[in-house]
Amino acid sequence: GAGVSQTPSNKVTEKGKYVELRCDPISGHTALYWYRQSLGQGPEFLIYFQGTGAADDSGLPNDRFFAVRPEGSVSTLKIQRTERGDSAVYLCASSLLTARPGTGELFFGEGSRLTVL
Amino acid sequence: QKEVEQNSGPLSVPEGAIASLNCTYSDRVSQSFFWYRQYSGKSPELIMSIYSNGDKEDGRFTAQLNKASQYVSLLIRDSQPSDSATYLCAVSRPKTDKLIFGTGTRLQVFP
Repeated sequence: GAGVSQTPSNKVTEKGKYVELRCDPISGHTALYWYRQSLGQGPEFLIYFQGTGAADDSGLPNDRFFAVRPEGSVSTLKIQRTERGDSAVYLCASSLLTARPGTGELFFGEGSRLTVL
Repeated sequence: QKEVEQNSGPLSVPEGAIASLNCTYSDRVSQSFFWYRQYSGKSPELIMSIYSNGDKEDGRFTAQLNKASQYVSLLIRDSQPSDSATYLCAVSRPKTDKLIFGTGTRLQVFP
């Protein structure tokens, strides 16, 4: 597709359930990022991948959160035993590899809104 | 202290005025600086990037960077109601593609 695609756009689940959020980046983009954004806040970094490997997962809040990108393209963010505090918009972004790290433009998807009841 | 700080606003300016948005960052080694615009209910989109001290102009937008003061700003000239959005400041450090965002400043341009 032309842009970053995220599914589902909306997910309502009950406390304690397992959730998967999917991100399909722009074709050819090697870097893929997951952020989450609560109302009135900026995007909070969770994890980013260069290719298949997680280059930095320091933003994952605890071990209930896990993300994979097995073939270097599509990524899945997995949340176990969801809690009400996990409710937020989960944003995925992708970027091209640049000669100078940290200079690439991030292209964001429209996000997956997660509501934990 | 947050790594990237912005006044949440709202900043209200009349149409045609200059809107000035400010951002400070705490890590002195930060090397790349970005302004993203986010309309309500939409995802962020890049409007400006700046890497060296001074000013960078692109149309009605000017980004200003002062590394000594750890300060980044965005000026929007001839503000339009369509500029009403939240403006997110973001920074990255050397040798990483990780981008840290501020909380954003909400700008309202009234006719």
